[in-house]
Amino acid sequence: AAGVIQSPRHLIKEKRETATLKCYPIPRHDTVYWYQQGPGQDPQFLISFYEKMQSDKGSIPDRFSAQQFSDYHSELNMSSLELGDSALYFCASSPPHGRPDEQYFGPGTRLTVT
Amino acid sequence: GQSLEQPSEVTAVEGAIVQINCTYQTSGFYGLSWYQQHDGGAPTFLSYNALDGLEETGRFSSFLSRSDSYGYLLLQELQMKDSASYFCAVRDILTGGGNKLTFGTGTQLKVEL
Repeated sequence: AAGVIQSPRHLIKEKRETATLKCYPIPRHDTVYWYQQGPGQDPQFLISFYEKMQSDKGSIPDRFSAQQFSDYHSELNMSSLELGDSALYFCASSPPHGRPDEQYFGPGTRLTVT
Repeated sequence: GQSLEQPSEVTAVEGAIVQINCTYQTSGFYGLSWYQQHDGGAPTFLSYNALDGLEETGRFSSFLSRSDSYGYLLLQELQMKDSASYFCAVRDILTGGGNKLTFGTGTQLKVEL
């Protein structure tokens, strides 16, 4: 079965640089979520899209923005990177009419800011 | 806001039974779910309780008591591959669509021989 695809899997950037993370949800899933997970931390909700419209924002810095495109893939854009942005970034998707709490997570992008 | 507390670490031997507890404080409650995450891997959905009682899925069971704001995940016949972090989570229904998950602090389970 198709899973959530994220690219790149690993990314190394320097402070003040920009990064773009991509997510391809499972086909026919209508909601996409972005989470950030620091070392030893729980995943923290950043932002979500429902049917290509932003549905909610969590603890997402103003330096970050995201969008969902007509083909349902999503991109998380991160500018003026800081050392504290080093984390695992997960994209998840959920289907219409699925189990309410079941989200399908991608393998994540490990971002290292040096 | 949402707050979920779990023990940070639990250790058990292969073949044993282990219980991972979760207490929560939420504004609005729609159910408690559990996710498993291996080191460096993606969280994977395990189970979900909307109503009080026990839900069984193979070796894993999850229990919920809404009056006590408490739930647990029960893992039976532990295997080495069960060594992972386990997160309880609650969701907020987003007015714009979808459900946002708030995760607990996570419990690192170590299974020993």
